Amino acid sequence: GAGVSQSPSNKVTEKGKDVELRCDPISGHTALYWYRQSLGQGLEFLIYFQGNSAPDKSGLPSDRFSAERTGGSVSTLTIQRTQQEDSAVYLCASSRTGEDTIYFGEGSWLTVV
Amino acid sequence: AQRVTQPEKLLSVFKGAPVELKCNYSYSGSPELFWYVQYSRQRLQLLLRHISRESIKGFTADLNKGETSFHLKKPFAQEEDSAMYYCALSQGGSEKLVFGKGMKLTVNP
Repeated sequence: GAGVSQSPSNKVTEKGKDVELRCDPISGHTALYWYRQSLGQGLEFLIYFQGNSAPDKSGLPSDRFSAERTGGSVSTLTIQRTQQEDSAVYLCASSRTGEDTIYFGEGSWLTVV
Repeated sequence: AQRVTQPEKLLSVFKGAPVELKCNYSYSGSPELFWYVQYSRQRLQLLLRHISRESIKGFTADLNKGETSFHLKKPFAQEEDSAMYYCALSQGGSEKLVFGKGMKLTVNP
């Protein structure tokens, strides 16, 4: 595709359930990022991948959050035992290299009820 | 630690007025500074980066290392400039981009 693709675009889940958010980066982009966008909190860095490895996981808020990337392409962000404070827009972005312009997806809007 | 501060959350001006969106940062090394913009119902996108030293859509931003600032300016705002603006910083050569909390600009007719 022409841009970063994320799914689902909207997800409503019950507190305590697990959710998986998917990101399909731009073809050929080796760097992939996950951010969380909350009202009043701006963009919070979660994790960065270079290829399939994650050199920087420092932003993951708790051990309920994990992410993986396979084949140097698609990435999945998993939130276990969701809490209401996990409600936010989860943005994925990719770039050709770690120093190139970052392109964002449209985000996955997660609501935990 | 890297930190980006956008002291104002909201700015409302009339069309044709000058605008300045403030951004201050803290970082001890050689930072790269960026402005990202998110128009209504669109994805976040790069507006400009300090190393390019270019003007995009009439906006400019100068990195002032003495004041650790990277304010975004436009002499005559247009209605289509209404959007959320985010200042961001990365360590030179590093991959992690740290964002400010954003500022909503509204340009009234």
